[in-house]
Amino acid sequence: DIVMTQAPLSVSVTPGESASISCRSSKSLLHSNGNTYVNWYLQKPGKSPQFLIYRMSNLASGVPDRFSGSGSETDFTLKISKVETEDVGVYYCGHGLEYPYTFGAGTKLELK
Amino acid sequence: EVKLQQSGDELVRPGASVKMSCKASGYTFTDYAMHWVKQSPGQGLEWIGTIIPLIDTTSYNQKFKGKATLTADKSSNTAYMELSRLTSEDSAVYYCARETGDYFDYWGQGVMVTVSS
Repeated sequence: DIVMTQAPLSVSVTPGESASISCRSSKSLLHSNGNTYVNWYLQKPGKSPQFLIYRMSNLASGVPDRFSGSGSETDFTLKISKVETEDVGVYYCGHGLEYPYTFGAGTKLELK
Repeated sequence: EVKLQQSGDELVRPGASVKMSCKASGYTFTDYAMHWVKQSPGQGLEWIGTIIPLIDTTSYNQKFKGKATLTADKSSNTAYMELSRLTSEDSAVYYCARETGDYFDYWGQGVMVTVSS
């Protein structure tokens, strides 16, 4: 199984500042078709996960452009610029390359 | 509007089984695979398996083979997951999620299963 490792486990950010979350996969997620199959989800407190970014850098519909995704074949970054109160929650990376799909352990974003 | 409406929370006895549902609306049910994800208390997300309703094909995480059984009813646009021989380790929230290609774009609200005598 592909292991997804996130860091840090938690991050505390002042509203208006930026935050970065890292995710590393144990296997390259770059497919021969050129797509990199890593996705990002946000689980707000008491809610279901919601979809943020697909295939490393593509924002889901309705996601503010304060969010961005980048990376290489095995190392990925979610960046949130100008963090807002609504961004609080746990962020998960997950891959969609092959079964079984797996997720990182999550990064909790809190506000200072 | 796409919506995945899951059944209610369950309190079940150890050793029993539970079957939960996920009713899809707002899209053509047979056009997308449906997945199930487990979230143990205070923990992360764990993929259980998937069903392709059009052809009733399933794939499971090896860890959940024999534990989870996925089915779908095309006539009612509903996906089901049955968990058998429940133990305290199965106490968790279970989500259904629609897959678009290789990511989950819509999630149900979750079913909390509590296994207790």
